[in-house]
Amino acid sequence: EVQVVESGGGLVQPGGSLRLSCAASAFTFSKFWMSWVRQAPGKGLEWVATIKEDGSDKYYVDSVKGRFTISRDNAKSSLYLQMSSLRAEDTAVYYCASIYAGYWGQGTLVTVSS
Amino acid sequence: QAGLTQPPSVSKDLGQTATLTCTGNSNNVGHQGAVWLQQHQGHPPKLLSYRNTTRPSGISERWSASRSGNIASLTVIGLQPEDEADYYCSAWDSSLTGWVFGGGTKLTVL
Repeated sequence: EVQVVESGGGLVQPGGSLRLSCAASAFTFSKFWMSWVRQAPGKGLEWVATIKEDGSDKYYVDSVKGRFTISRDNAKSSLYLQMSSLRAEDTAVYYCASIYAGYWGQGTLVTVSS
Repeated sequence: QAGLTQPPSVSKDLGQTATLTCTGNSNNVGHQGAVWLQQHQGHPPKLLSYRNTTRPSGISERWSASRSGNIASLTVIGLQPEDEADYYCSAWDSSLTGWVFGGGTKLTVL
C-alpha cells in the first residue's frame, strides 16, 4: 500500500525556519514529480512547490520564492521543504503529494506565531 | 498567481446528479487537462480523476470527468450522503510553470 508521511511541522516564530520531510513508500518515488501543497485553516488548497523526478528543475509559487527550497533524495524516497523567513500567512497544513498519481500524505501543521 | 474558477457551492437532492465545473485557460485546463480532488473535512485530498477523464482504480463509476475547451467538469450520479465534501480542480499551468487550483466547490447532498 502506498504511504506518504509528512513530518517536521510545529510552532515557529515569525522570521524563523522549519524543515519539513516526507517519506514515501510502495511506489517508485524516483519516477514521479513531487509537490508540496498547503491549506490554511478553513481555506482551499494552494500549490507551494514542485520538483522534477531527478531534481533537475524546481518550481515555486511567487509568495515563497527566495524563502522556501524544495529538494529530494531518491535513494531515501524522501522529499523535503526548507522554509525560512516564515510569516503568519504561511500557517497551514502542508501536504506532500504526487498530484497526478493521487498520492497524498496526511499533512503536517505549520503554525507561525509569536 | 491566477487560479481556476469553481462555483463556491452546489446543492442537490439524494440520488440526483451533480455536475461541478472548473474554468481555466489555454495554458492550464485547455492544455494539460485537469485533475479533480475530493476532500472531506479533516482529511487529505483524494484523487477522483486525472488527465481530464481518467478515473484511478478504486474510484466508483458514479464519477466521471470531461473537458470542453478550457472548462473541465466532474459529474456524479446517484448522489449519496458520503459525497458531501469539498471538490477541487487543479491543472499544471505551462505559462506560470506551476500548479493552479480552483477555490473549491462545497457539494451539499440534501
